[in-house]
Amino acid sequence: GQNIDQPTEMTATEGAIVQINCTYQTSGFNGLFWYQQHAGEAPTFLSYNVLDGLEEKGRFSSFLSRSKGYSYLLLKELQMKDSASYLCAVRAGYSTLTFGKGTMLLVSP
Amino acid sequence: GAGVSQSPSNKVTEKGKDVELRCDPISGHTALYWYRQSLGQGLEFLIYFQGNSAPDKSGLPSDRFSAERTGGSVSTLTIQRTQQEDSAVYLCASSPHPPVVAGVEQFFGPGTRLTVL
Repeated sequence: GQNIDQPTEMTATEGAIVQINCTYQTSGFNGLFWYQQHAGEAPTFLSYNVLDGLEEKGRFSSFLSRSKGYSYLLLKELQMKDSASYLCAVRAGYSTLTFGKGTMLLVSP
Repeated sequence: GAGVSQSPSNKVTEKGKDVELRCDPISGHTALYWYRQSLGQGLEFLIYFQGNSAPDKSGLPSDRFSAERTGGSVSTLTIQRTQQEDSAVYLCASSPHPPVVAGVEQFFGPGTRLTVL
């Protein structure tokens, strides 16, 4: 089976930088996804990592270390609209995704 | 273009009744997934369709749960003899390619909130 851990909640201030960590244990690792989910809405895709290193996409970046079973999502220049749940999901082999429980981020003025 | 749609958006039912939830994927998407999201829990995988067949139905929690997909498009998730623990948001997602294609994202619908009284 797979085990995915993320912090339950985080708080940060508008304009700041926040890092959301995700650790996983799986055999046959084949990619890690980050999704954003606003309350009452559908999850939307943010990033995908399959090789070690940093993937940057505007204000959002995602990092992966396969040897450590570790990823983080970095959000810069936080805005109020970034308040949402951030879901880490892992694929093993050619199977479907396994999602973590999500990290609820609250951005305050 | 149109995204994934689901109906109804909300469903309240009595314990013991059957319910049907519908998912319309993005046109041309061959892969379709059903998930369940309970309060404080992550997205729980239920079943995956490729075309009209279901290569992975390992997440269905009991034989009260079933799903079908017709014409490689619309899918329905049926829950028989609903129980209170079935209360959750049921999310559908579609993807243009099967999971074997690396890095392909899933596009989610808005979900159906099911409440079993």
